Amino acid sequence: DIVMTQSPDSLAVSLGERASINCKSSQSVLSRSNNKNYLAWFQQKPGQPPKLLIYWASARESGVPDRFSGSGSGADFTLTISSLQAEDVAVYYCQQYHTIPWTFGQGTKVEVK
Amino acid sequence: EVQLLESGGGLVQPGGSLRLSCGASGFAFSSYGMNWVRQAPGKGLEWVSGISGSAITTYYADSVKGRFTISRDNSRNTLYLQMHSLRAEDTAIYYCAKESTSTYDYWGQGTLVTVSS
Repeated sequence: DIVMTQSPDSLAVSLGERASINCKSSQSVLSRSNNKNYLAWFQQKPGQPPKLLIYWASARESGVPDRFSGSGSGADFTLTISSLQAEDVAVYYCQQYHTIPWTFGQGTKVEVK
Repeated sequence: EVQLLESGGGLVQPGGSLRLSCGASGFAFSSYGMNWVRQAPGKGLEWVSGISGSAITTYYADSVKGRFTISRDNSRNTLYLQMHSLRAEDTAIYYCAKESTSTYDYWGQGTLVTVSS
């Protein structure tokens, strides 16, 4: 199985400041056939299901604010929130959909400092 | 509007069985793969099982293989998860999730399964 490891486990950021979450996969999730990274980011608020933010490592889902961006390739990825808003307080998960079983990172809790 | 509504969760004794359902609306159900993803209380997300739109192909996590069966009824726009030989470690919120051309673009609200004596 591909193991997804996120860092940090939690972070506290002041409103308006940048938040960055890293995600490393135990093997590359880049497909040679289409040159796409099979990596997604989800946001989960308390009591709610996860919400898709980013897919193909850097494509923003429709309706997601542009302060959310994804970057990276191969086995190293980053989710960046450029200017943290109060409504961004949540747990964020990376997920690989390159190889079954699809696997998630352990989650990163983002709070307001 | 895409809607996914899970049902069938509840309290069951270890070794017992339960069938979860997920009713779908707002999209061409038979054209999309569907999955079950679970989340133990206070824990992260774990993929459980997936099924292709035609139901020809199914996939299972090793932790549930041989105990759980995923199926779908495209005439009823409904996804199922039949669970047998339930264990305490199966206690979780079970979400159904719709596949897009990439990963899951829509999730249901989830149904809680509690395995306890």
